[in-house]
Amino acid sequence: AQSVTQLGSHVSVSEGALVLLRCNYSSSVPPYLFWYVQYPNQGLQLLLKYTTGATLVKGINGFEAEFKKSETSFHLTKPSAHMSDAAEYFCAVTGAGNNRKLIWGLGTSLAVNP
Amino acid sequence: DARVTQTPRHKVTEMGQEVTMRCQPILGHNTVFWYRQTMMQGLELLAYFRNRAPLDDSGMPKDRFSAEMPDATLATLKIQPSEHRDSAVYFCASGRGTGGNPDTQYFGPGTRLTVL
Repeated sequence: AQSVTQLGSHVSVSEGALVLLRCNYSSSVPPYLFWYVQYPNQGLQLLLKYTTGATLVKGINGFEAEFKKSETSFHLTKPSAHMSDAAEYFCAVTGAGNNRKLIWGLGTSLAVNP
Repeated sequence: DARVTQTPRHKVTEMGQEVTMRCQPILGHNTVFWYRQTMMQGLELLAYFRNRAPLDDSGMPKDRFSAEMPDATLATLKIQPSEHRDSAVYFCASGRGTGGNPDTQYFGPGTRLTVL
């Protein structure tokens, strides 16, 4: 069965510091992986996704993630945090078979300190 | 700039009352998802439609919740009767269901439901 684990429900970084949000998954089929961001009082929006091909995926707002099959990980990084990056971040993996529903992690709240 | 719209944005109701939430998916999208978000449970999928047909509603309490798509431009989620534990933010998302890569889901702003 598919599952997603996001390590650390809260992460705090200083402005300008590296952002690293961790996501590990389990999947019985080749996974498709997603990162979504949720700003306060808003819906989720796609940051980036991995389907096939290049394992380093670049997304919006300077974020990127690397699919590492051997580690079953899809960690999200950004070299330099900005105050506007403060938000909730969700990792997700597609379910098996023709059912396209996503299996979601519980989210990581990112705080950026001045 | 195409967006998913949801109404109402906020709803306060009393226990036992019927609640109806509406969603207008992005034009041309044929998949619609209903999610519930709470602090305790995170993001839960309630129902999932493709081409207006329900594909998966296993996450939805069947005795009180119902989800429909009367037409391609409207999805509804109804709770009858509502209970305190239904207090949450309900999100609708839409996407393009194809045989290729998984859809990106486009989320609406949500309906914040408070059941007193």
